[in-house]
Amino acid sequence: AQSVTQPDIHITVSEGASLELRCNYSYGATPYLFWYVQSPGQGLQLLLKYFSGDTLVQGIKGFEAEFKRSQSSFNLRKPSVHWSDAAEYFCASSGGYQKVTFGTGTKLQVIP
Amino acid sequence: EAQVTQNPRYLITVTGKKLTVTCSQNMNHEYMSWYRQDPGLGLRQIYYSMNVEVTDKGDVPEGYKVSRKEKRNFPLILESPSPNQTSLYFCASSSGQYNSPLHFGNGTRLTVT
Repeated sequence: AQSVTQPDIHITVSEGASLELRCNYSYGATPYLFWYVQSPGQGLQLLLKYFSGDTLVQGIKGFEAEFKRSQSSFNLRKPSVHWSDAAEYFCASSGGYQKVTFGTGTKLQVIP
Repeated sequence: EAQVTQNPRYLITVTGKKLTVTCSQNMNHEYMSWYRQDPGLGLRQIYYSMNVEVTDKGDVPEGYKVSRKEKRNFPLILESPSPNQTSLYFCASSSGQYNSPLHFGNGTRLTVT
């Protein structure tokens, strides 16, 4: 069974600092991988996705993620965090038939 | 505007009183799904539907029912709600391809007393 692990429950960064959110997946084949963001009171919005090709994918709002098969990881990065990036971030994988498995989420706090 | 619409946004009810949370999408998506979100547990899938009249259990289906009589609608039914179903519920849809992202509604916060 596929699983997704986000080891960091809560992360605090200063505005302007760089950010990396960790995600590890467990799946036999190469899964389809996604990062979603959830702002307070909102549903989830897709940031980016990976399913093949270039292992560094660009998303919206200046985010990028790198797929590393050897580490079973799909970490999300942003070079310079803005206060509006404060939200909860979910990594997800899809192994087929749209059975999407989500990680438990990482809450990002941005301090001025 | 492409969207997934859930109603109501907030719902407070008592144990055992049947309720329905509606979900509708206007993107002609084949795939629809319900999730519940609980602190520390992330999103867990309740039921999903690959197309009209095709539904299947997710990871936490106990105590829930769904139906898919029309492509655009996918209601979630709690026939006898219990306090452990107090949660934040999300409906989502996608085109059904493996790499297609989910489009989420804004959520329904349910409290069962």
